[in-house]
Amino acid sequence: DIQLTQSPSSLSASVGDRVTLTCQASQYINNYLNWYQQRPGKAPRLLIFDASNLESGAPSRFSGSGSATDFTLTIGSLQSEDFATYYCQQYHQLPLTFGGGTTVEI
Amino acid sequence: QVQLVESGGGVVQPGGSLRLSCGASGFIFKDYSMHWVRQAPGKGLEWVAFISYDGSDKEYVDSVKGRFIISRDNSKNTLNLQMNSLRREDTAVYYCAKDTSYRGSYHDFDQWGQGTLVTVSS
Repeated sequence: DIQLTQSPSSLSASVGDRVTLTCQASQYINNYLNWYQQRPGKAPRLLIFDASNLESGAPSRFSGSGSATDFTLTIGSLQSEDFATYYCQQYHQLPLTFGGGTTVEI
Repeated sequence: QVQLVESGGGVVQPGGSLRLSCGASGFIFKDYSMHWVRQAPGKGLEWVAFISYDGSDKEYVDSVKGRFIISRDNSKNTLNLQMNSLRREDTAVYYCAKDTSYRGSYHDFDQWGQGTLVTVSS
């Protein structure tokens, strides 16, 4: 199985900060990586697909980059509604797997 | 707009069975792959099962193979998950999720239901 390691597991930040989250795959996955946001008590929401493509309706302050094994999600200027947990997910091979998540706290 | 509504969760004893359903609306259900994803209390997300748009291809995470069965009824816009031989570690919120893949395989989960809680406990 492909393991996805997210770091940090949590971070504290302030409104307006630029925040970068990382996701490392245990093997080559090309750009077959997606990012999700999950607010407490809510279902996840797709933010970025294929490593760098912004999902329709997702704010433009979110951006993704990377390929092969190393990926990043950047929030350009943190807003209050961005405090949540972020997950990466690969679809290079089955089983589909998620990273352990990064929680962005105030 | 797209809506996915899960039902069927509840409390079940270890070794028991439960059937989850997910009603879909707002898109052409028969054209898209679907998934079940679960989240144990306080834990991260875990993909459980996938079914292709026409039901011809089904895949499972190893921990549920032989116990869970994913199915769909395209005439009723419904996705199902039959869960047998349930274990305490199956306790989780179960989400149904739509894939963006049009008449294809798997890609990402662009729409999610609100989830239904399954608790396996004696």
